[in-house]
Amino acid sequence: EVPLLESGGGLVQPGGSLRLSCAASGFTFSSYAMNWVRQAPGKGLEWVSTIGGSGGSTYHADSVKGRLTISRDNSKNMLYLQMDSLRAEDTAVYYCARVVPGHTAFDYWGQGILVTVSS
Amino acid sequence: DIQMTQSPSTLSASIGDRVTITCRASQSISIWLAWYQQKLGKAPKLLIYKASSLESGVPSRFSGSGSGTEFTLTISSLQPDDFATYYCQQYKTYPLTFGGGTKVEIK
Repeated sequence: EVPLLESGGGLVQPGGSLRLSCAASGFTFSSYAMNWVRQAPGKGLEWVSTIGGSGGSTYHADSVKGRLTISRDNSKNMLYLQMDSLRAEDTAVYYCARVVPGHTAFDYWGQGILVTVSS
Repeated sequence: DIQMTQSPSTLSASIGDRVTITCRASQSISIWLAWYQQKLGKAPKLLIYKASSLESGVPSRFSGSGSGTEFTLTISSLQPDDFATYYCQQYKTYPLTFGGGTKVEIK
């Protein structure tokens, strides 16, 4: 097993901020690109962000660009998602996920953390 | 952006049935496609990557095929544990995109 454990979710007002964390263990964290994928209630999967193993390259979905920012701390085996200017449409379960080496397919997923944006 | 279209959106089948789910890409993605299974309230599970490579630990009744714009996921003999929602995902280019999902229900 490759535990990935998300934390930091909860209820936030529109326009507010939140930071999600994902603690990784059981593998050489810095060797793997990591991702955030979300799922709105009752809906399908939506890719949010990818970060390379060194943290030097990042990609974000257009729907979150400029508001949600992925980062990592390889010394702590931690992945983060800084969420600013939150909107109701950001309400979702957020998963951190590791990629298959050499492929941007997700082989291990956390259990997910719910973020609710509502007044 | 590359759009991924799955069909059908819902599928009713019986234990032992052969089940096929189709995923079409709006432009060629070569073989850069993955399939996932998701059960209610759980994280998705990787089944297939690179269109036809079976992820370690996944039963051999699951198989994937296709290239370019058309792909299929086949379950050779449906088992009780297979009732779930299945998603395809392209990783040819960013933004990474998923299909809308196919829910496999008990007939």
